[in-house]
Amino acid sequence: DAGVTQSPTHLIKTRGQQVTLRCSPKSGHDTVSWYQQALGQGPQFIFQYYEEEERQRGNFPDRFSGHQFPNYSSELNVNALLLGDSALYLCASSNSGGPPNEQFFGPGTRLTVL
Amino acid sequence: AQSVTQPDIHITVSEGASLELRCNYSYGATPYLFWYVQSPGQGLQLLLKYFSGDTLVQGIKGFEAEFKRSQSSFNLRKPSVHWSDAAEYFCAVINQAGTALIFGKGTTLSVSS
Repeated sequence: DAGVTQSPTHLIKTRGQQVTLRCSPKSGHDTVSWYQQALGQGPQFIFQYYEEEERQRGNFPDRFSGHQFPNYSSELNVNALLLGDSALYLCASSNSGGPPNEQFFGPGTRLTVL
Repeated sequence: AQSVTQPDIHITVSEGASLELRCNYSYGATPYLFWYVQSPGQGLQLLLKYFSGDTLVQGIKGFEAEFKRSQSSFNLRKPSVHWSDAAEYFCAVINQAGTALIFGKGTTLSVSS
């Protein structure tokens, strides 16, 4: 049983560019959440997707957008990249019918903005 | 607003010694609490969780945590630390909507021989 997978592992972009990160949830999970983890900090919630809709959003600008596909996989898009967007981006999946928000995390995508 | 505080940024423990990592939360109702571990360059692995019931919860890798409502704390403990326990540890609470985890800033554990 594969866990949460994310691609790519690492990514280098320059300021102003756009980036797309991908996530496949754990088998049986239908909800995907995205987190940003800056160096030396705890993860911060970006948004959560369920039934292909954004269910809740954290304190992130509209430059951050997402999508969930019918197979429950998800994408995180960031436009007009800033240096401060450099971080580890974590995807977490959960089962809407399972224990409250027991989320399983992927290994993350390390984004570096130059 | 909900928040999680991990007072210790960095802790060093000798191998075989006991460990306690502190976590304090701010939350109006009964919280759902978690401890996660993150090895360098890796994602987060769930160590244990508290939803309700027995306030002493057991997790993986020999870890346990105790929920104390009166102190708003959920401290993580291990009786004997192994070198492989060196990692970053995060305490988290679910937000009121039940959708997002709110994390502390983490505690880095170093294990000396």
